[in-house]
Amino acid sequence: KAGVTQTPRYLIKTRGQQVTLSCSPISGHRSVSWYQQTPGQGLQFLFEYFSETQRNKGNFPGRFSGRQFSNSRSEMNVSTLELGDSALYLCASSLASGHGELFFGEGSRLTVL
Amino acid sequence: GESVGLHLPTLSVQEGDNSIINCAYSNSASDYFIWYKQESGKGPQFIIDIRSNMDKRQGQRVTVLLNKTVKHLSLQIAATQPGDSAVYFCAENPPNSGYALNFGKGTSLLVTP
Repeated sequence: KAGVTQTPRYLIKTRGQQVTLSCSPISGHRSVSWYQQTPGQGLQFLFEYFSETQRNKGNFPGRFSGRQFSNSRSEMNVSTLELGDSALYLCASSLASGHGELFFGEGSRLTVL
Repeated sequence: GESVGLHLPTLSVQEGDNSIINCAYSNSASDYFIWYKQESGKGPQFIIDIRSNMDKRQGQRVTVLLNKTVKHLSLQIAATQPGDSAVYFCAENPPNSGYALNFGKGTSLLVTP
């Protein structure tokens, strides 16, 4: 069974640009969560989607957005990139929403210059 | 705001010894706790979880202890192996928050031969 797949794995952008990251959950998983990981702040929750609906949102500015498609695949978008957005963006999937094992992908490493 | 923290940022143990990684949490309403392991270049991997109605749970070579009185979690790894070298995170899941987990900063475990 394939794991959580994130694309692209690495990308470099410049300030002011926007970026879209993609996540394909494990087959059959309907919940997708996104986290930002930085050395200074650690792992911080961005948002969670279940059956195409955003269930929870973390404390991030409106430049960070996401969506989930009917096949459970998810994308997140960051607009007007800032240097501080450089991070590893992790996607995780699970069968249902809340409590239970989260399966993480290997992340998309974003560098903003 | 409330946060999850770890007592020690790094821990070095000899192969074959037992390891104990500690975690303090501050949201007394949290009812679910998880330990994750993250190896270099990979996403976090689920190790073990525990619900607030339990004080101990055992897995394969790992045990999680929960002390709700002092809001403390610990992860015990028996007979630590070189493959256990990684960063370990505790996470708390407040009620009704879906997968909006609060992660600790992480403890780096180094297993020496």
